[in-house]
Amino acid sequence: NAGVTQTPKFRILKIGQSMTLQCTQDMNHNYMYWYRQDPGMGLKLIYYSVGAGITDKGEVPNGYNVSRSTTEDFPLRLELAAPSQTSVYFCASSYSMRGSGGELFFGEGSRLTVL
Amino acid sequence: GIQVEQSPPDLILQEGANSTLRCNFSDSVNNLQWFHQNPWGQLINLFYIPSGTKQNGRLSATTVATERYSLLYISSSQTTDSGVYFCAVERDYGGSQGNLIFGKGTKLSVKP
Repeated sequence: NAGVTQTPKFRILKIGQSMTLQCTQDMNHNYMYWYRQDPGMGLKLIYYSVGAGITDKGEVPNGYNVSRSTTEDFPLRLELAAPSQTSVYFCASSYSMRGSGGELFFGEGSRLTVL
Repeated sequence: GIQVEQSPPDLILQEGANSTLRCNFSDSVNNLQWFHQNPWGQLINLFYIPSGTKQNGRLSATTVATERYSLLYISSSQTTDSGVYFCAVERDYGGSQGNLIFGKGTKLSVKP
């Protein structure tokens, strides 16, 4: 039972490069989320998805794109990387958005540095 | 938007001591969760508790929704309790977006 798996765990990008952070979950959760965590801060929601084919913006979506073609996978794409995107990225999933099953389960995080 | 304030920002305990962490929020919520981020960065869900009281081993949590605060109690602390504790809430506006707003956390250090 792997839970939420993110790859890569570490990555260094040059300004202007693009990359995709992969996220997959094996818990058959409908809801998936991407957060970023800056040093000394809490997490901020980038994008979320309520099911395959449905995504929506969170609090800080600029500079990112997502897709949800399957229940299991929710990749996050960074286009034209900027130093402001240096952060730790967390993917999470939940069975529902609230109530029983609303608990979030997180991946181990992906540390991205843009130089 | 909703504001989430956690206190204290830092806490140092001797192993075996008890502690209370507080989370204040500025609006009605329909979702409140407590998380522990260990020193290696891993985030673990501790409680889903928009109201009421729950207990899980040495940890318990109480949310008083009408007064807009939640408390996390840690009893008989262990060194493995070290890390950052986050409270996260979603404002109750009749819908649900899954947009949990995180506080800045309480950093707990438990000394042996």
